[in-house]
Amino acid sequence: KAGVTQTPRYLIKTRGQQVTLSCSPISGHRSVSWYQQTPGQGLQFLFEYFSETQRNKGNFPGRFSGRQFSNSRSEMNVSTLELGDSALYLCASSLTRGGNEQYFGPGTRLTVT
Amino acid sequence: GESVGLHLPTLSVQEGDNSIINCAYSNSASDYFIWYKQESGKGPQFIIDIRSNMDKRQGQRVTVLLNKTVKHLSLQIAATQPGDSAVYFCAENTGNQFYFGTGTSLTVIP
Repeated sequence: KAGVTQTPRYLIKTRGQQVTLSCSPISGHRSVSWYQQTPGQGLQFLFEYFSETQRNKGNFPGRFSGRQFSNSRSEMNVSTLELGDSALYLCASSLTRGGNEQYFGPGTRLTVT
Repeated sequence: GESVGLHLPTLSVQEGDNSIINCAYSNSASDYFIWYKQESGKGPQFIIDIRSNMDKRQGQRVTVLLNKTVKHLSLQIAATQPGDSAVYFCAENTGNQFYFGTGTSLTVIP
């Protein structure tokens, strides 16, 4: 069974631009969560999608948004990029919501210049 | 807010020795915990999990211990190998979302 895949793996953007990242969960998994990882901050939860609905949201500004499609694939969008948005963005999938085994993708490394 | 912390940011062990990585969590309502391993340039890799109705769980060369009294979680790696060098995170879940520690960097000395 294929793991979680994320595209693209690397991105370089300029301040003020927007970016869309994609995540394909493990086949059969319906929950997708997104995280931001920066040095010294660890993993910070962005949001979780389940059955095409955002079920939970972390403490990030509205510039960060996402969606989930009927095939459980998910995208996250960051608008009006800031230098501080440079990070590794990880998505994780699990079979269902709540406390269950969660598996991560390789991440998308976003650099904002 | 939630707080998951690690006692030591770095740990160096000799190849073949056992490693113990510790984690403190703050929410007594957390009922599910996962340990992840993250190698440079990769996403976190699931190692082992444990639910709050257990105090010990064993996998291949790894053991997770949960002490709910003091809200402490540990990961024991037996016969540590060079391939175990990575950053290790603990994560807690209250049934709503996961909260992660900042990680412990494990270096295995050949």
